Amino acid sequence: GQNIDQPTEMTATEGAIVQINCTYQTSGFNGLFWYQQHAGEAPTFLSYNVLDGLEEKGRFSSFLSRSKGYSYLLLKELQMKDSASYLCAVRVLNYGQNFVFGPGTRLSVLP
Amino acid sequence: ETGVTQTPRHLVMGMTNKKSLKCEQHLGHNAMYWYKQSAKKPLELMFVYNFKEQTENNSVPSRFSPECPNSSHLFLHLHTLQPEDSALYLCASSHPIARGGGDTGELFFGEGSRLTVL
Repeated sequence: GQNIDQPTEMTATEGAIVQINCTYQTSGFNGLFWYQQHAGEAPTFLSYNVLDGLEEKGRFSSFLSRSKGYSYLLLKELQMKDSASYLCAVRVLNYGQNFVFGPGTRLSVLP
Repeated sequence: ETGVTQTPRHLVMGMTNKKSLKCEQHLGHNAMYWYKQSAKKPLELMFVYNFKEQTENNSVPSRFSPECPNSSHLFLHLHTLQPEDSALYLCASSHPIARGGGDTGELFFGEGSRLTVL
């Protein structure tokens, strides 16, 4: 089966750094994605890793270790607008392709 | 504006009604998806279409019936639903596989249709 795990909730302070972890057990792995979802809105794409290592994109970085089935999303210089749910998703290739999502991590940024 | 439009945004229906959700994408993608998002649960894949062919049916009850007449449009037909089917239904699209050249093949989501079944 396909399984993805993330912490349910996290809290951090404005200006700080927070790391959101994701572990996965999937077959047909073809990339790991992070999405941000504000309450009442659609998820929006943040980052993508298919090879091991770190991908940096402004205040956001994402890391992947395929051998460990592990990824994290690092958010720096937190802002109040970063309060949202962060979804870890694995793209799997079977007959076609689909994306398996984790439960999401609700991040609250406090002043 | 993601390029994926869903209608209606909100729908209230009784258990005996028949209604449809519509999704349209203007991104030139050939893969389209229906996901269900319930409170405190992961996004749950329902159906996947690649080049108008259904490639995934994630054990969805037959009271949900998808239709993909072309690569730009996707429908979810609803009939005799149950109250536990109340959720946010998200449509998404993507290129079928990552094509390289910086294209990650990520999902683009619509704003969702919030369904309440009474």
